[in-house]
Amino acid sequence: DVKVTQSSRYLVKRTGEKVFLECVQDMDHENMFWYRQDPGLGLRLIYFSYDVKMKEKGDIPEGYSVSREKKERFSLILESASTNQTSMYLCASSRVTSGTGELFFGEGSRLTVL
Amino acid sequence: QQQVKQSPQSLIVQKGGISIINCAYENTAFDYFPWYQQFPGKGPALLIAIRPDVSEKKEGRFTISFNKSAKQFSLHIMDSQPGDSATYFCASEGYSSASKIIFGSGTRLSIRP
Repeated sequence: DVKVTQSSRYLVKRTGEKVFLECVQDMDHENMFWYRQDPGLGLRLIYFSYDVKMKEKGDIPEGYSVSREKKERFSLILESASTNQTSMYLCASSRVTSGTGELFFGEGSRLTVL
Repeated sequence: QQQVKQSPQSLIVQKGGISIINCAYENTAFDYFPWYQQFPGKGPALLIAIRPDVSEKKEGRFTISFNKSAKQFSLHIMDSQPGDSATYFCASEGYSSASKIIFGSGTRLSIRP
């Protein structure tokens, strides 16, 4: 089974802090994604990566950056956390074959910014 | 931005009843329509999916009904069980655009015993 592991399940940070969210997948998937989940808003794409060192902006990239130095690892970075970034963050991966729609998600990282 | 509109936002169904969640999409280029199921404390997981060349797909108690002309699709859960209590997301995706899957806003389903 595909496993997507998000190292931090719960984080509490202060406004202005730099935050790193780490994600690792073990199925050699090409594509990796970071989503933000908020009640009533569904899942919104922040960034995705289709290859090592490649990244593309999703629908809500402002205030975030990403890093993919290795195929299995995709990091989300909040350069200066703000209270409106309090949310659930979900990492996902998928095979390179497009059109299947099957995303494999991690269990999420719940971030609270005070 | 293309949207996928999902309703209702929350749903309470008695055990043994039928749960129905509806979604509508805008982009006729979408050709893959998955449903994801998310239990509390877990990430979403693919439940069932359909392509527009069929009008219905059934897997156990879960059925997707698809109406291409109306650009609508729905999830039916027959004989709903307490274990089905979860949040359900519909989604739409176009071929060769795995990065552009669009999710609905989610439906929180509660099955009363």
